[in-house]
Amino acid sequence: GQQLNQSPQSMFIQEGEDVSMNCTSSSIFNTWLWYKQDPGEGPVLLIALYKAGELTSNGRLTAQFGITRKDSFLNISASIPSDVGIYFCAGQLAGNQFYFGTGTSLTVIP
Amino acid sequence: EADIYQTPRYLVIGTGKKITLECSQTMGHDKMYWYQQDPGMELHLIHYSYGVNSTEKGDLSSESTVSRIRTEHFPLTLESARPSHTSQYLCASSARGGRYEQYFGPGTRLTVT
Repeated sequence: GQQLNQSPQSMFIQEGEDVSMNCTSSSIFNTWLWYKQDPGEGPVLLIALYKAGELTSNGRLTAQFGITRKDSFLNISASIPSDVGIYFCAGQLAGNQFYFGTGTSLTVIP
Repeated sequence: EADIYQTPRYLVIGTGKKITLECSQTMGHDKMYWYQQDPGMELHLIHYSYGVNSTEKGDLSSESTVSRIRTEHFPLTLESARPSHTSQYLCASSARGGRYEQYFGPGTRLTVT
């Protein structure tokens, strides 16, 4: 299957700091999605991106669909303790199944 | 908030038992998926369906089977559970056309003793 490389694998940051993470692939995707997962729960959709270059915000979260369509970025501004969790990217080829990144584990230190 | 439900949330069962994990969605989505995930790890697709009477195996080999008799229902069955089946199982759905967002249920945490 497709491989999505997500980095960093984990982050430990102070409350109030900004966070950046990214996802890269060797394939061109038509859709990029970003999810947050809390322990023992299913992933919750944060942001969906549909066009190359698209920049979309959801509160303190901003995500971008890379120009090459092979990557995507997620930024979190002014982190707070409830941002703790694992963040996954997912890419979709035209009309087909989704492929998930390996996840970024975020720890926010109060 | 996504209208997709999974039962049970937690299940502890002995080796050799037959189990069915339930998944239902009320969004009218054509596409449904089952993923297997170990704690903190990536999701692996084990089955998917693009509509009633359509099922396909995913990238990760699985001894489970699925059925899709109704649009809203996509159960997963293990005929004979083994300790290697211990994992979290996540169900998801998405619409066929237009926006391709995929929504997840809360998951079933399965432990086979």
